Amino acid sequence: GAGVSQSPSNKVTEKGKDVELRCDPISGHTALYWYRQSLGQGLEFLIYFQGNSAPDKSGLPSDRFSAERTGGSVSTLTIQRTQQEDSAVYLCASSSSLTGGLKTQYFGPGTRLLVL
Amino acid sequence: KNEVEQSPQNLTAQEGEFITINCSYSVGISALHWLQQHPGGGIVSLFMLSSGKKKHGRLIATINIQEKHSSLHITASHPRDSAVYICAALPPPKLIFGTGTRLQVFP
Repeated sequence: GAGVSQSPSNKVTEKGKDVELRCDPISGHTALYWYRQSLGQGLEFLIYFQGNSAPDKSGLPSDRFSAERTGGSVSTLTIQRTQQEDSAVYLCASSSSLTGGLKTQYFGPGTRLLVL
Repeated sequence: KNEVEQSPQNLTAQEGEFITINCSYSVGISALHWLQQHPGGGIVSLFMLSSGKKKHGRLIATINIQEKHSSLHITASHPRDSAVYICAALPPPKLIFGTGTRLQVFP
Protein backbone atom coordinates (compact mmCIF):
# COMPACT_ATOMS: atom_id res chain seq x y z
CA GLY A 1 0.00 0.00 0.00
CA ALA A 2 0.97 3.63 -0.39
CA GLY A 3 -0.01 4.80 3.06
CA VAL A 4 1.99 5.54 6.21
CA SER A 5 3.07 2.35 7.91
CA GLN A 6 4.22 1.82 11.47
CA SER A 7 5.82 -1.08 13.26
CA PRO A 8 5.33 -2.86 15.48
CA SER A 9 1.57 -2.54 15.69
CA ASN A 10 1.68 -3.60 19.32
CA LYS A 11 4.52 -3.64 21.83
CA VAL A 12 4.50 -4.88 25.38
CA THR A 13 7.60 -4.15 27.43
CA GLU A 14 8.75 -4.11 31.00
CA LYS A 15 9.36 -0.93 32.93
CA GLY A 16 12.94 0.22 32.46
CA LYS A 17 13.47 -1.33 29.03
CA ASP A 18 14.15 0.68 25.88
CA VAL A 19 11.81 0.52 22.91
CA GLU A 20 12.07 1.61 19.29
CA LEU A 21 9.05 2.50 17.20
CA ARG A 22 9.32 2.81 13.44
CA CYS A 23 7.48 4.92 10.92
CA ASP A 24 7.59 4.62 7.13
CA PRO A 25 6.03 7.75 5.63
CA ILE A 26 4.37 8.03 2.25
CA SER A 27 7.06 8.06 -0.40
CA GLY A 28 8.10 11.60 -1.25
CA HIS A 29 6.62 13.19 1.85
CA THR A 30 9.17 15.54 3.32
CA ALA A 31 7.38 16.31 6.57
CA LEU A 32 6.96 13.67 9.28
CA TYR A 33 5.26 14.00 12.64
CA TRP A 34 5.04 11.90 15.77
CA TYR A 35 2.01 12.17 18.05
CA ARG A 36 0.90 10.31 21.16
CA GLN A 37 -2.57 9.34 22.33
CA SER A 38 -2.67 8.21 25.94
CA LEU A 39 -5.61 6.20 27.28
CA GLY A 40 -8.48 8.55 27.98
CA GLN A 41 -6.43 11.50 26.76
CA GLY A 42 -6.39 13.43 23.58
CA LEU A 43 -3.70 13.48 20.95
CA GLU A 44 -0.53 15.39 21.66
CA PHE A 45 2.32 16.47 19.43
CA LEU A 46 5.77 15.01 20.08
CA ILE A 47 8.18 15.99 17.30
CA TYR A 48 8.25 17.18 13.70
CA PHE A 49 10.80 16.45 10.98
CA GLN A 50 11.39 18.38 7.79
CA GLY A 51 13.67 16.16 5.80
CA ASN A 52 16.16 14.73 8.28
CA SER A 53 16.15 17.68 10.64
CA ALA A 54 13.80 18.23 13.56
CA PRO A 55 13.00 21.93 13.83
CA ASP A 56 10.39 21.30 16.51
CA LYS A 57 11.00 18.88 19.36
CA SER A 58 8.91 20.80 21.83
CA GLY A 59 6.47 18.00 22.49
CA LEU A 60 8.95 15.37 23.66
CA PRO A 61 7.95 14.80 27.30
CA SER A 62 11.38 14.03 28.69
CA ASP A 63 14.97 13.37 27.68
CA ARG A 64 14.12 9.66 27.65
CA PHE A 65 12.42 10.31 24.33
CA SER A 66 14.39 10.82 21.15
CA ALA A 67 13.73 10.48 17.44
CA GLU A 68 15.70 10.42 14.26
CA ARG A 69 15.00 10.31 10.58
CA THR A 70 17.37 9.04 7.96
CA GLY A 71 17.42 9.49 4.20
CA GLY A 72 14.43 11.78 4.46
CA SER A 73 12.28 8.71 4.86
CA VAL A 74 12.05 6.26 7.76
CA SER A 75 11.86 7.63 11.29
CA THR A 76 12.49 5.91 14.59
CA LEU A 77 11.12 7.07 17.94
CA THR A 78 13.12 5.71 20.85
CA ILE A 79 11.96 5.64 24.44
CA GLN A 80 14.66 4.80 26.96
CA ARG A 81 14.01 3.39 30.40
CA THR A 82 10.28 3.13 29.75
CA GLN A 83 7.83 4.07 32.46
CA GLN A 84 4.21 3.00 32.88
CA GLU A 85 3.03 6.50 31.99
CA ASP A 86 4.62 5.99 28.54
CA SER A 87 1.85 3.52 27.72
CA ALA A 88 -0.07 5.01 24.80
CA VAL A 89 -0.70 4.75 21.10
CA TYR A 90 2.12 6.41 19.18
CA LEU A 91 1.01 7.80 15.84
CA CYS A 92 3.08 8.91 12.93
CA ALA A 93 1.87 11.19 10.15
CA SER A 94 3.44 12.57 7.01
CA SER A 95 2.70 15.34 4.58
CA SER A 96 4.12 16.57 1.33
CA SER A 97 4.70 20.12 2.51
CA LEU A 98 8.15 21.59 2.25
CA THR A 99 7.30 24.01 5.05
CA GLY A 100 4.97 21.96 7.21
CA GLY A 101 2.20 24.31 6.22
CA LEU A 102 -1.06 23.84 4.43
CA LYS A 103 -0.86 20.22 3.41
CA THR A 104 -3.01 17.36 4.66
CA GLN A 105 -1.32 15.06 7.14
CA TYR A 106 -1.78 11.35 6.55
CA PHE A 107 -1.74 9.18 9.63
CA GLY A 108 -0.32 5.71 10.17
CA PRO A 109 -2.21 3.03 12.09
CA GLY A 110 -0.20 3.64 15.24
CA THR A 111 1.88 1.53 17.60
CA ARG A 112 0.12 0.54 20.80
CA LEU A 113 2.74 0.51 23.59
CA LEU A 114 2.05 -1.08 26.93
CA VAL A 115 4.63 -0.76 29.69
CA LEU A 116 4.14 -3.26 32.50
CA LYS B 1 -7.96 26.21 29.19
CA ASN B 2 -7.28 24.04 26.16
CA GLU B 3 -6.21 25.83 23.03
CA VAL B 4 -8.73 23.78 21.04
CA GLU B 5 -12.14 23.06 22.53
CA GLN B 6 -14.78 20.75 21.10
CA SER B 7 -18.41 20.24 21.94
CA PRO B 8 -20.20 18.10 22.66
CA GLN B 9 -17.89 15.46 24.13
CA ASN B 10 -20.42 12.73 23.45
CA LEU B 11 -23.26 12.63 21.00
CA THR B 12 -25.89 10.02 20.25
CA ALA B 13 -28.23 10.20 17.31
CA GLN B 14 -30.82 8.19 15.46
CA GLU B 15 -30.08 7.20 11.91
CA GLY B 16 -31.04 9.98 9.53
CA GLU B 17 -30.54 12.85 11.98
CA PHE B 18 -28.52 15.97 11.16
CA ILE B 19 -25.46 16.25 13.37
CA THR B 20 -23.28 19.22 14.28
CA ILE B 21 -19.97 19.14 16.12
CA ASN B 22 -18.37 22.41 17.15
CA CYS B 23 -14.76 23.44 17.54
CA SER B 24 -13.35 26.67 18.97
CA TYR B 25 -9.69 27.55 19.10
CA SER B 26 -7.62 30.28 20.68
CA VAL B 27 -4.39 30.04 18.69
CA GLY B 28 -3.58 31.65 15.40
CA ILE B 29 -3.89 29.12 12.63
CA SER B 30 -3.20 28.63 8.97
CA ALA B 31 -5.75 25.84 8.66
CA LEU B 32 -7.90 23.45 10.65
CA HIS B 33 -8.24 19.70 10.23
CA TRP B 34 -11.27 17.56 10.96
CA LEU B 35 -10.22 13.98 11.67
CA GLN B 36 -12.15 10.76 12.11
CA GLN B 37 -11.02 7.90 14.35
CA HIS B 38 -12.87 4.60 14.39
CA PRO B 39 -12.57 2.29 17.43
CA GLY B 40 -9.33 0.35 17.13
CA GLY B 41 -8.67 2.04 13.85
CA GLY B 42 -6.42 4.68 12.53
CA ILE B 43 -7.06 8.34 11.96
CA VAL B 44 -8.35 9.69 8.69
CA SER B 45 -8.28 13.32 7.71
CA LEU B 46 -11.75 14.35 6.56
CA PHE B 47 -11.10 17.98 5.79
CA MET B 48 -8.45 20.62 5.95
CA LEU B 49 -9.82 24.11 5.59
CA SER B 50 -8.59 27.63 6.02
CA SER B 51 -11.72 29.54 5.06
CA GLY B 52 -15.35 29.13 4.10
CA LYS B 53 -16.88 25.74 3.63
CA LYS B 54 -15.99 22.34 2.23
CA LYS B 55 -18.31 19.46 1.38
CA HIS B 56 -17.61 15.79 0.82
CA GLY B 57 -20.60 13.52 0.44
CA ARG B 58 -22.74 13.88 3.53
CA LEU B 59 -20.05 15.78 5.43
CA ILE B 60 -19.78 19.54 5.50
CA ALA B 61 -17.14 21.57 7.33
CA THR B 62 -17.23 25.30 7.87
CA ILE B 63 -14.81 27.72 9.44
CA ASN B 64 -15.08 31.31 10.62
CA ILE B 65 -11.57 32.65 11.00
CA GLN B 66 -12.68 35.91 12.66
CA GLU B 67 -14.65 34.04 15.32
CA LYS B 68 -12.09 31.23 15.60
CA HIS B 69 -14.80 28.64 15.23
CA SER B 70 -15.41 25.64 13.00
CA SER B 71 -18.25 23.19 12.65
CA LEU B 72 -18.55 19.71 11.21
CA HIS B 73 -22.00 18.72 9.98
CA ILE B 74 -23.18 15.25 9.03
CA THR B 75 -26.39 15.08 7.04
CA ALA B 76 -28.57 11.95 7.03
CA SER B 77 -26.40 10.26 9.65
CA HIS B 78 -25.78 6.52 9.43
CA PRO B 79 -24.53 3.96 11.97
CA ARG B 80 -21.27 3.71 10.02
CA ASP B 81 -20.64 7.37 10.94
CA SER B 82 -20.11 6.22 14.55
CA ALA B 83 -16.59 7.27 15.45
CA VAL B 84 -14.61 9.89 17.33
CA TYR B 85 -14.35 13.17 15.47
CA ILE B 86 -11.40 15.38 16.29
CA CYS B 87 -10.68 18.91 15.26
CA ALA B 88 -7.06 19.94 15.08
CA ALA B 89 -5.71 23.44 14.67
CA LEU B 90 -2.69 23.98 12.48
CA PRO B 91 -0.41 26.77 13.50
CA PRO B 92 2.25 25.23 11.32
CA PRO B 93 3.87 22.91 11.47
CA LYS B 94 2.24 20.87 14.22
CA LEU B 95 -1.37 20.02 14.94
CA ILE B 96 -3.02 21.00 18.23
CA PHE B 97 -5.89 18.63 18.89
CA GLY B 98 -9.26 18.99 20.50
CA THR B 99 -10.34 16.27 22.89
CA GLY B 100 -12.70 14.72 20.38
CA THR B 101 -16.42 14.10 20.09
CA ARG B 102 -17.60 10.52 20.40
CA LEU B 103 -20.54 10.01 18.05
CA GLN B 104 -22.85 7.02 18.14
CA VAL B 105 -25.55 6.69 15.54
CA PHE B 106 -28.22 4.09 16.23
CA PRO B 107 -30.35 2.42 13.55
